[in-house]
Amino acid sequence: AQSVTQLGSHVSVSEGALVLLRCNYSSSVPPYLFWYVQYPNQGLQLLLKYTSAATLVKGINGFEAEFKKSETSFHLTKPSAHMSDAAEYFCAVSGGHFGNEKLTFGTGTRLTIIP
Amino acid sequence: DGGITQSPKYLFRKEGQNVTLSCEQNLNHDAMYWYRQDPGQGLRLIYYSQIVNDFQKGDIAEGYSVSREKKESFPLTVTSAQKNPTAFYLCASSINFSNQPQHFGDGTRLSIL
Repeated sequence: AQSVTQLGSHVSVSEGALVLLRCNYSSSVPPYLFWYVQYPNQGLQLLLKYTSAATLVKGINGFEAEFKKSETSFHLTKPSAHMSDAAEYFCAVSGGHFGNEKLTFGTGTRLTIIP
Repeated sequence: DGGITQSPKYLFRKEGQNVTLSCEQNLNHDAMYWYRQDPGQGLRLIYYSQIVNDFQKGDIAEGYSVSREKKESFPLTVTSAQKNPTAFYLCASSINFSNQPQHFGDGTRLSIL
């Protein structure tokens, strides 16, 4: 079975500061990893995905994430926060076969940007 | 533009009543999914369909039913057996079932009167 842990249900950063959202995963097979963003009363939008190519993955809106197998982590970062980044962020994992192809989501991190 | 359309955006249910949430996609995706979202719990999988005329239970299928008679449509019925149906419901689709990113609709918020 696979699982995802997102450390910190709420994160606040100042506008212009570094954004760091933490995600640790558990998977018995090489994982596929995803970050999604959700704005209020909307669905989820894919930010980026890791599929065993480069370990540093660049996504939309200036976000990137680094896959670290030794730490089983896939943390999301952005060098300079913008007010429009305020949203909820979800990390998700999939991998393997026999039902493990479906996504397992973390419980989410709500990002607040302080003006 | 291709995408996923969920309707209605808001839905109210009376006690003992079944309600059906609509999900339509024009992305030509084989796989479709229904999730339930509650505050602080992330997304939980209700049902999924890998291909038309086929579907499987997810982690919290009790009190829900689905059908997949057409590739583009995957309606979800919340039955009276679901004792706590108030939640935000999200439909998603992916090219196929094998570890692909999912595209989401804008959700339906269901409340009990």
